[in-house]
This record gives sequence, structure tokens and C-alpha cells, in this order.
Amino acid sequence: AQSVTQLGSHVSVSEGALVLLRCNYSSSVPPYLFWYVQYPNQGLQLLLKYTTGATLVKGINGFEAEFKKSETSFHLTKPSAHMSDAAEYFCAVSEGQPGNEKLTFGTGTRLTIIP
Amino acid sequence: SQTIHQWPATLVQPVGSPLSLECTVEGTSNPNLYWYRQAAGRGLQLLFYSVGIGQISSEVPQNLSASRPQDRQFILSSKKLLLSDSGFYLCAWIGPASGRPWFGDTQYFGPGTRLTVL
Repeated sequence: AQSVTQLGSHVSVSEGALVLLRCNYSSSVPPYLFWYVQYPNQGLQLLLKYTTGATLVKGINGFEAEFKKSETSFHLTKPSAHMSDAAEYFCAVSEGQPGNEKLTFGTGTRLTIIP
Repeated sequence: SQTIHQWPATLVQPVGSPLSLECTVEGTSNPNLYWYRQAAGRGLQLLFYSVGIGQISSEVPQNLSASRPQDRQFILSSKKLLLSDSGFYLCAWIGPASGRPWFGDTQYFGPGTRLTVL
């Protein structure tokens, strides 16, 4: 079974500072990896995903993540935090075939931006 | 473009009462559909998925059931709610990213239903 661990349920950064949200996964097969963002009382929005190929993945809103197989990590970063980045972020790994992905999610990291 | 709807947005129900949550998808046909639950302080857990009308797979044993009476309709039900059924229920489907072709097919989520069982 696949699993995801997100280190730090709450992260606070100052506006303009680097954002780093950590995600480690376990998988017996090459994983598909995802980051989703959830704004208050809304559903999840896909930020980025890794399937194959380039290990540095760029997503929306200036976020990117790097797949490191040796470390089984897929950390999410953004060079400069903006107030609008305050939300909850979920890392996920997929099971199943492409087109019928069954996602296993981490417990989430709530990001707070300090003015 | 494709959209996914869920209703109601919020629901407060007494223990032992029945439940019916509805999810519909527009702008696509024969989508794979998913129900997830987000319990307080926990990540999202996949409850059910469906690859077609009448085809339901359950991922975890529980007090809930799902049905897919139409191609773009996915319903989550319970005959008698438990306190532990409280949570945020999200429906999702797989499709192409609108305006972002580099994402490929992936899961897109509805706005969710927040259920409180008292």
C-alpha cells in the first residue's frame, strides 16, 4: 500500500519569504505524485503533478516541486510567499492506472502567511 | 468546459437519520467518479469510485454506500448516520485540465459538502 507523510501540520512564513512544504511518500511502484491546495470551504485545486520525466515540476501560482527518488520526497516550494497563498496543502500519491487514479493523501499542511 | 456540482453545501443531521449527497458532472461523458471524505484533522480518504453506470468499488468498510444511476451522477448514501460520519465529502472526476494541457488527465474536485452529525 502506498502512503504519504506531510511533515508539519502548520507552517507559518512571512510575506515574501520562501515557502517549503514537505512531503515524503512510500510506494512499491514508480509513483505519480500530486500537490493540491484547498482554500477555506472549497474543494481541492490541483497545483502540480509528477508522472515521469523531468523531476522538477512547475505548477500554478509560482509553485514547484522536485521529485527525489533517493529521498522518496516531493517537497513543494515557492520562492516568495504571497498573502493569497494562505490555504491548506495536500500531497498525494496515486494508485491504479492512469485514467483511474486512486489517490492516497497526506494529512495536509496549513500554510499561514505573516504580513 | 467541464464542471462538477455537489449539493447540499452544508448539512446537519441527527444520528440515525438517512443521508443522500449528490454529485453531478457536466461537459463530459463516461467519467470516472470518486467520493472522498475529509474528517477533522485527517487527510482525505477515498471511499468509493465508479468507472461507469452501476459500477461501484468500495475502498473501505463503512456505514455508507454509493450509487451511480446515470452516467454523470454519483450519489453517496447512508440509511443511519453515525457520529463518525461527520466530515467534508468531496466528489471528484478524472479529466483533462482546462487551460493547462501539460497537466494531462487528473482528478478534479467539486466544492464539497460539509456534513455534521449530532
